Amino acid sequence: EIVLTQSPGSLSLSPGERATLSCRASQSVSSSYLAWYQQKPGQAPRLLIYAASSRATGIPDRFSGSGSGTDFTLTISRLEPEDFAVYYCQQYGSSLWTFGQGTKVEIK
Amino acid sequence: EVQLVESGGDLVQRGGSLRLSCAASGFTLNSYWMSWVRQAPGKGLEWVANIRQDGTEKYYVDSVKGRFTISRDNAKNSLFLQMNSLRDEDTAVYYCARHGSYNDFDYWGQGTLVTVSS
Repeated sequence: EIVLTQSPGSLSLSPGERATLSCRASQSVSSSYLAWYQQKPGQAPRLLIYAASSRATGIPDRFSGSGSGTDFTLTISRLEPEDFAVYYCQQYGSSLWTFGQGTKVEIK
Repeated sequence: EVQLVESGGDLVQRGGSLRLSCAASGFTLNSYWMSWVRQAPGKGLEWVANIRQDGTEKYYVDSVKGRFTISRDNAKNSLFLQMNSLRDEDTAVYYCARHGSYNDFDYWGQGTLVTVSS
């Protein structure tokens, strides 16, 4: 089973700042099968990025994904007030779907 | 508009059973793999089970194998999760999610809460 480790666990930033979130896999992950989600309190997760770097429908271009192999990154270029949330990475491999433990982006 | 609406969550005793349902609309259910994903209170996301479009393939996380069964009724636009021998650690919000083209989850329901208590 591939384990995804996200860092940092939390991030305190101000609106307008850049956020860089990391997701590291215990084994190589196909870039086609790495996704990122945003979750706000009391809400379901929302797909942001699929196939490591493709934005989902309706996702603003301040969100971008990159990486390959075992190291992937979600970047929010300029934080808007609505971007403060928890972010999860997710991978598929060998008929198993796993998530990272999440990174909370908080308002500083 | 794609909509997924879960129901069936409840307070249940340890060792008991529960059946969750997910009503799908706004898309053709029989064209998509579907999953259940859960989230324990204050914790992260955990994929639980999924099912192929025609129901012929099913996969489960190890912790629920032999206790949970996923099924679907495409004619009724519905997905189900039969949960038996429930444990304290099954307490969670259970989300129904549609698979995207890259084994991601592109649409989610709002979730239904299952609480297992002794």
